[in-house]
Amino acid sequence: AQTVTQSQPEMSVQEAETVTLSCTYDTSESNYYLFWYKQPPSRQMILVIRQEAYKQQNATENRFSVNFQKAAKSFSLKISDSQLGDTAMYFCAFMRGGGADGLTFGKGTHLIIQP
Amino acid sequence: EAGVVQSPRYKIIEKKQPVAFWCNPISGHNTLYWYLQNLGQGPELLIRYENEEAVDDSQLPKDRFSAERLKGVDSTLKIQPAELGDSAVYLCASSPGVAWNTGELFFGEGSRLTVL
Repeated sequence: AQTVTQSQPEMSVQEAETVTLSCTYDTSESNYYLFWYKQPPSRQMILVIRQEAYKQQNATENRFSVNFQKAAKSFSLKISDSQLGDTAMYFCAFMRGGGADGLTFGKGTHLIIQP
Repeated sequence: EAGVVQSPRYKIIEKKQPVAFWCNPISGHNTLYWYLQNLGQGPELLIRYENEEAVDDSQLPKDRFSAERLKGVDSTLKIQPAELGDSAVYLCASSPGVAWNTGELFFGEGSRLTVL
């Protein structure tokens, strides 16, 4: 079974600052995907960024980037130039290759962007 | 294109009463998931459907929870009787299918249940 651990229950930064959210995972699988999902107060989960385990290059999506350390089983999310709309719960998630099992989520980090 | 639709958004019931949640996935999505999200926690999988077949219901408390997806499209999750500990958000998600190897799931807004 896979486990996903997010050790930061809450983080708060000022607008325009850079913030990094931490995630570690445990698996014996060699083929898998890692994700960061955002859940604003409306509760609809939205995919932020995805990383395939076989890719060495870290994924980037505009202001969002990841630091994927496969050997350390670490998958952190960096948000640059943070905006008020980034305020949300952020969940790190794991999926086995093939996608058949769905997602295993961490407990989440509540990110607050202060004006 | 319409997203995943769930109803009701909010439901308040007395304990021991039944409750049902409905989910309509994105058109053409063969895989449907029901997740349970307790306050301050990440979602946990309850059941996964491939078309009309429940292929993973190992985490569904079958003594009081049931689900169906009769025609392989929309789905209903039922709790009977509800207990205080069932108060949570019930999330529905869908994806195009097992061959969908990008891993992205598309979520509805959830149904928040409060059991009094």
